[in-house]
Amino acid sequence: NAGVMQNPRHLVRRRGQEARLRCSPMKGHSHVYWYRQLPEEGLKFMVYLQKENIIDESGMPKERFSAEFPKEGPSILRIQQVVRGDSAAYFCASSPPVAQLSDEQFFGPGTRLTVL
Amino acid sequence: AQKVTQAQTEISVVEKEDVTLDCVYETRDTTYYLFWYKQPPSGELVFLIRRNSFDEQNEISGRYSWNFQKSTSSFNFTITASQVVDSAVYFCALKMNTGFQKLVFGTGTRLLVSP
Repeated sequence: NAGVMQNPRHLVRRRGQEARLRCSPMKGHSHVYWYRQLPEEGLKFMVYLQKENIIDESGMPKERFSAEFPKEGPSILRIQQVVRGDSAAYFCASSPPVAQLSDEQFFGPGTRLTVL
Repeated sequence: AQKVTQAQTEISVVEKEDVTLDCVYETRDTTYYLFWYKQPPSGELVFLIRRNSFDEQNEISGRYSWNFQKSTSSFNFTITASQVVDSAVYFCALKMNTGFQKLVFGTGTRLLVSP
């Protein structure tokens, strides 16, 4: 039973390029969460998605960042026109279909984005 | 407002010492869950424990134990007889009934266990 998959594990982009981060939740999970971890800091919530719906995007920067979780395929976190401050580890987590408060979130290995 | 504070940025101990990692939280919700995650040097997050706001029983799992005190809004984590493999960053997190399932993390405590 594969865990949460994220790719790529490491991504290097130059300023102004686009970054696409992919997340495949655990089998049977339909809730996906994205978190960002800046160097030497804790994880900060960005967005919570269910299939084809954004449920909570209160942690997403207003510009350049977008997320989707289509009916088929992985969830995508897209960062347009990256800047050096976007350099961070981006973690995806998933939880079962009937989300309960007690549910732990299962985390992927993260994507380390470096912006040159 | 909801917040998790881990005041200890880094702790260094020698193997076999006991160590306690502190976690203090703030929330107005009466129903919530608290979690501890471990992030080893490899970078992934490993779930350790959850505790709900109505269950103040302490828990022990091997060398790990957790002390939840609602009166002081604390959920502290103790490692007994620490080992080098315990070296990691440990995060405390809060999930509230009104929070759309998102986790609010503390800034983490880096634990260094030397031989």
